[in-house]
Amino acid sequence: EAGVAQSPRYKIIEKRQSVAFWCNPISGHATLYWYQQILGQGPKLLIQFQNNGVVDDSQLPKDRFSAERLKGVDSTLKIQPAKLEDSAVYLCASSYRDRVNEQFFGPGTRLTVL
Amino acid sequence: SQQGEEDPQALSIQEGENATMNCSYKTSINNLQWYRQNSGRGLVHLILIRSNEREKHSGRLRVTLDTSKKSSSLLITASRAADTASYFCATDVTGNQFYFGTGTSLTVIP
Repeated sequence: EAGVAQSPRYKIIEKRQSVAFWCNPISGHATLYWYQQILGQGPKLLIQFQNNGVVDDSQLPKDRFSAERLKGVDSTLKIQPAKLEDSAVYLCASSYRDRVNEQFFGPGTRLTVL
Repeated sequence: SQQGEEDPQALSIQEGENATMNCSYKTSINNLQWYRQNSGRGLVHLILIRSNEREKHSGRLRVTLDTSKKSSSLLITASRAADTASYFCATDVTGNQFYFGTGTSLTVIP
């Protein structure tokens, strides 16, 4: 079974630029998560999707971050404009609808904002 | 914050020794999980312990949970160099998502 795919793996941008990350979950997983992991900290949930609907986006900085999962499969996370404090690894995870405790994580995208 | 806190922040041991790391949390939980993260890679699920369980084993891993103290411990026996990684506890409070701790960085010296 293929794992969660993410791209790009690394991204370096200047502050105030925009950036987008892509995630392809495991086939059949209805639930998709985006986490932000700042260096030296644990992952923090940004947004959770169930199919193409948002379940929880309470910790998503909506003034600059947006995410979508239009067809209930792939998802994109966008930052516009980026700030220095957005430098982090952005992890995507997926799970079956009724197995939120069994999340499978992708390798992450390491973002550096200069 | 509902986030757990791991202790110690960093741990260095010789290969073959046991490694113990602890997790404390603040609110009642449904279950608690431990994850491993190798440098530059994603998180890998290790073990889940439910709130009504006190101890669980998986291979060289032993997890305990003390809900009265709101704490959990992860014991890795007979450590190997490949166990070098960061270990995170994650607490499930709502049944819908969980909250990660700050992590313990384990180095196993060959």
